[in-house]
Amino acid sequence: DAGVTQSPTHLIKTRGQHVTLRCSPISGHKSVSWYQQVLGQGPQFIFQYYEKEERGRGNFPDRFSARQFPNYSSELNVNALLLGDSALYLCASSLDRGFAYEQYFGPGTRLTVT
Amino acid sequence: TQLLEQSPQFLSIQEGENLTVYCNSSSVFSSLQWYRQEPGEGPVLLVTVVTGGEVKKLKRLTFQFGDARKDSSLHITAAQPGDTGLYLCAANFGNEKLTFGTGTRLTIIP
Repeated sequence: DAGVTQSPTHLIKTRGQHVTLRCSPISGHKSVSWYQQVLGQGPQFIFQYYEKEERGRGNFPDRFSARQFPNYSSELNVNALLLGDSALYLCASSLDRGFAYEQYFGPGTRLTVT
Repeated sequence: TQLLEQSPQFLSIQEGENLTVYCNSSSVFSSLQWYRQEPGEGPVLLVTVVTGGEVKKLKRLTFQFGDARKDSSLHITAAQPGDTGLYLCAANFGNEKLTFGTGTRLTIIP
């Protein structure tokens, strides 16, 4: 079975631009979570989506938004990019909502903002 | 604000030695997970603990969840070079988010 897939693998953007990152969960998984991992730090929670609805949000500005589609795939959108948005963006899927369920992470999208 | 502190931040030991990594918080966890992450990859789940005092073993790795549900430890016996990586604890504090620790970067020297 395929694991969590993310696209693109790498991305370079300029300050002020907009970016869309994509995630496909493991088949049968209904929950998708997004994380930002800055170099040298642990991942920081951005959003959790379950059954197409936002179920949790971390301490990120409104420039960050996401959505989940009927097939449970998800997009993370970031507007008005700042240099500080440069990071590895990770997507994780799990069978159900909540965090007692095992989360499976994708390889991430490396975003560089110049 | 719930924070998870891991110690040590960096650890470099010889192959065959034992080691323990700690994860602590001032707040009670609902559940806690340990992950290992290698460069260029996403974290891989090692274990989930949900019961205070719980001990789980995964081959040479032993995970302990503190009785007060505010701390956890990961003990590795006879470390091997393949154990090298970033070890992360992650906790749910009963809200709709998962908080990761600061991480312990482990290097096993052959």
